[in-house]
Amino acid sequence: AQKVTQAQTEISVVEKEDVTLDCVYETRDTTYYLFWYKQPPSGELVFLIRRNSFDEQNEISGRYSWNFQKSTSSFNFTITASQVVDSAVYFCALSALGGFKTIFGAGTRLFVKA
Amino acid sequence: DSGVTQTPKHLITATGQRVTLRCSPRSGDLSVYWYQQSLDQGLQFLIQYYNGEERAKGNILERFSAQQFPDLHSELNLSSLELGDSALYFCASSPRWGGDEQFFGPGTRLTVL
Repeated sequence: AQKVTQAQTEISVVEKEDVTLDCVYETRDTTYYLFWYKQPPSGELVFLIRRNSFDEQNEISGRYSWNFQKSTSSFNFTITASQVVDSAVYFCALSALGGFKTIFGAGTRLFVKA
Repeated sequence: DSGVTQTPKHLITATGQRVTLRCSPRSGDLSVYWYQQSLDQGLQFLIQYYNGEERAKGNILERFSAQQFPDLHSELNLSSLELGDSALYFCASSPRWGGDEQFFGPGTRLTVL
């Protein structure tokens, strides 16, 4: 069975603070993909990043960075120097080729206060 | 703008009724996915189509059905509606299947009274 756990339901930070959103996944497949999506207050889901199971390189994109560790089945997302515009719900997702379907975590709601 | 369109944006209907939600994928994308987002259930995968064929099924009720047409647009049919079906329904598309990133439409908010 596949599962994605985002244990942090809500996080509140003050602008310019760094914040890390946790994601832990479960799958028996050896080939799988991990994703992060952002859902701002407007409601539309926006793709942020995709990682396949064979590539454990960390990635940085501006203020965003992702840490993928197969040993702990985690794919954590860090926002550096957070801004008010980062306020949104962030979803971690897993897609394993064996099952085709994409499983989303429950999401973490991030509040960034000015 | 993701390039995925969904109609209608809002739908209000009564219990027992049937509705159809429509989705047009991004140009060139062959896969279409349907999701239901409610407050208590989070984002639930319903079903995926690839180039007209059903590829994966999630927690889709028997009262719900979907199809993807030759022009690749997709429809989600919800029948015998219940109050609990009130939710935001998202369509997403991707170039292929499985491990591709998905591009989401703006969603259809369904309210069942």
